[in-house]
Amino acid sequence: DAGVIQSPRHEVTEMGQEVTLRCKPISGHDYLFWYRQTMMRGLELLIYFNNNVPIDDSGMPEDRFSAKMPNASFSNLKIQPSEPRDSAVYFCASSPGQGPNTGELFFGEGSRLTVL
Amino acid sequence: DAKTTQPPSMDCAEGRAANLPCNHSTISGNEYVYWYRQIHSQGPQYIIHGLKNNETNEMASLIITEDRKSSTLILPHATLRDTAVYYCIVSGPNTGNQFYFGTGTSLTVIP
Repeated sequence: DAGVIQSPRHEVTEMGQEVTLRCKPISGHDYLFWYRQTMMRGLELLIYFNNNVPIDDSGMPEDRFSAKMPNASFSNLKIQPSEPRDSAVYFCASSPGQGPNTGELFFGEGSRLTVL
Repeated sequence: DAKTTQPPSMDCAEGRAANLPCNHSTISGNEYVYWYRQIHSQGPQYIIHGLKNNETNEMASLIITEDRKSSTLILPHATLRDTAVYYCIVSGPNTGNQFYFGTGTSLTVIP
């Protein structure tokens, strides 16, 4: 398996622009997670899905952030409008299940976002 | 939401064992201890997890104290490629089986 695939790897945009980050989870994994990593706040869980349904979005910082999972093989995270403080590395991860036997997270390589 | 405490940084000589401590004094009976690591510019990688017994796999060993309030991750023969940030995470039904990463320990393996 190719692992979790994220695109783009790097994105540079100007404040106010819409940003879309994409993720393809590992086939057969029922859970998908979006994390954000910054120097100040470390790795933060933003939202996660189970079988394409958002379960917990309490980590989404503002209404400018939205995430969808239209099918089992794709999710996107949108920021509209983007602001400089959104600059971070955004990671997508998937897992086959939850709990100690199936809950291991598999992370993608991340999307590094810079908002000027 | 992190329920663990780790030293911010550690050094280890190449070829020696690296022992990374973690305190989780508020761990619940049904929560597991997980370890992940993050090599620079990469996504975190799972290493090992355990409940109360010591665990070993091809990457590392996990030693959990009898009262489960602390644990140690052991890399038996550290190599330069083990230089990374190591995260100790407590997860179980009480936290929705989610993984909340703290600040971790930055391990530097020195030649």
